[in-house]
Amino acid sequence: EAGVTQFPSHSVIEKGQTVTLRCDPISGHDNLYWYRRVMGKEIKFLLHFVKESKQDESGMPNNRFLAERTGGTYSTLKVQPAELEDSGVYFCASSPGRRYEQYFGPGTRLTVT
Amino acid sequence: LAKTTQPISMDSYEGQEVNITCSHNNIATNDYITWYQQFPSQGPRFIIQGYKTKVTNEVASLFIPADRKSSTLSLPRVSLSDTAVYYCLLNGNNRLAFGKGNQVVVIP
Repeated sequence: EAGVTQFPSHSVIEKGQTVTLRCDPISGHDNLYWYRRVMGKEIKFLLHFVKESKQDESGMPNNRFLAERTGGTYSTLKVQPAELEDSGVYFCASSPGRRYEQYFGPGTRLTVT
Repeated sequence: LAKTTQPISMDSYEGQEVNITCSHNNIATNDYITWYQQFPSQGPRFIIQGYKTKVTNEVASLFIPADRKSSTLSLPRVSLSDTAVYYCLLNGNNRLAFGKGNQVVVIP
């Protein structure tokens, strides 16, 4: 069974540009989560989808971040416009239900210069 | 979110049993105790989860006392490949809150 995949693995963009990160969860997992680790800090929750609906987006830092999950399959996280402080590693995770273990992807390393 | 407290780092010799303790004094009734492992440049990987007493799987055991204010992850006979950061988390609302974790270094 394929695990959670994320694309790209690494992205380098200039301040002010737009970047879109993609996450493909494990097939059949209705729950999808985004987390990020900013340099030197702890991994922080961003948001949680149940199918195509946003269940909890309390961790989204500001309105420059837009997450979507059309059709309840893969998800995208767009940063527009990117700022220097957005640099870090963005993780996606999925789970089959509440309180089940979350399976994490390898992360996307975003560098904003 | 209820917080957890773990040691920052610890070393262990290959083949030994490693026990990592986590404090969670403000654990809520609906919180499960969950442990993750993370290697450099990888996403966190689920190890074990429990609510009370003892849980065991093929890689670890989790001991939880009756008051649930702490828990202990036990890794039997560690190998060099077990060198990683170990996170103790409380999972009550699916919004995992990662702390700094515990860096475990296994020495040959």
